[in-house]
Amino acid sequence: GNSVTQMEGPVTLSEEAFLTINCTYTATGYPSLFWYVQYPGEGLQLLLKATKADDKGSNKGFEATYRKETTSFHLEKGSVQVSDSAVYFCALSDLRGGADGLTFGKGTHLIIQP
Amino acid sequence: EAGVTQFPSHSVIEKGQTVTLRCDPISGHDNLYWYRRVMGKEIKFLLHFVKESKQDESGMPNNRFLAERTGGTYSTLKVQPAELEDSGVYFCASSQSRETEAFFGQGTRLTVV
Repeated sequence: GNSVTQMEGPVTLSEEAFLTINCTYTATGYPSLFWYVQYPGEGLQLLLKATKADDKGSNKGFEATYRKETTSFHLEKGSVQVSDSAVYFCALSDLRGGADGLTFGKGTHLIIQP
Repeated sequence: EAGVTQFPSHSVIEKGQTVTLRCDPISGHDNLYWYRRVMGKEIKFLLHFVKESKQDESGMPNNRFLAERTGGTYSTLKVQPAELEDSGVYFCASSQSRETEAFFGQGTRLTVV
């Protein structure tokens, strides 16, 4: 079956540091890949997505590239801010966009210190 | 436009009691999903409604869980009787179609003591 593995936190960084959160997946076929974010006190929000190999998703300075050869979708940001503190979830779906049968990782708690 | 809303935000109940969680999807969204995150583990799919019909309930853990979606609008998820292992955060999401972005609610944190 499908599965997602992401680095476990908490990950603590200083403001303006470079961020990488690793995510690898196991899936049959060609899934779509997502990063969701949950800010304190809020619901899950779609941060970015990629629907086919070599696609790069980007939003709010975050980027992730769909690497089929390494089955990875690592999240990166060049310079993090305190407001980026949140829990980040990597996920995959057999469909292109919706929440149909999403498979999530365990989540990575990111803490950015001023 | 209001997003997906869930009620209550937090519930603490004793083992053996009954709890009902409610989800109000975004107006016009036919697809409604329930997910659950048990502490320290992945967010897991529970079930999927299309309008008032259950499209997929393969993720429901056992028959103590009952989900309904009356008239294809809001949905309820009842746990009866609750067990300690049911503790976690229950998320609801809705989308216009299976292929379009799903919007999640804030979640209901259920604690069974």
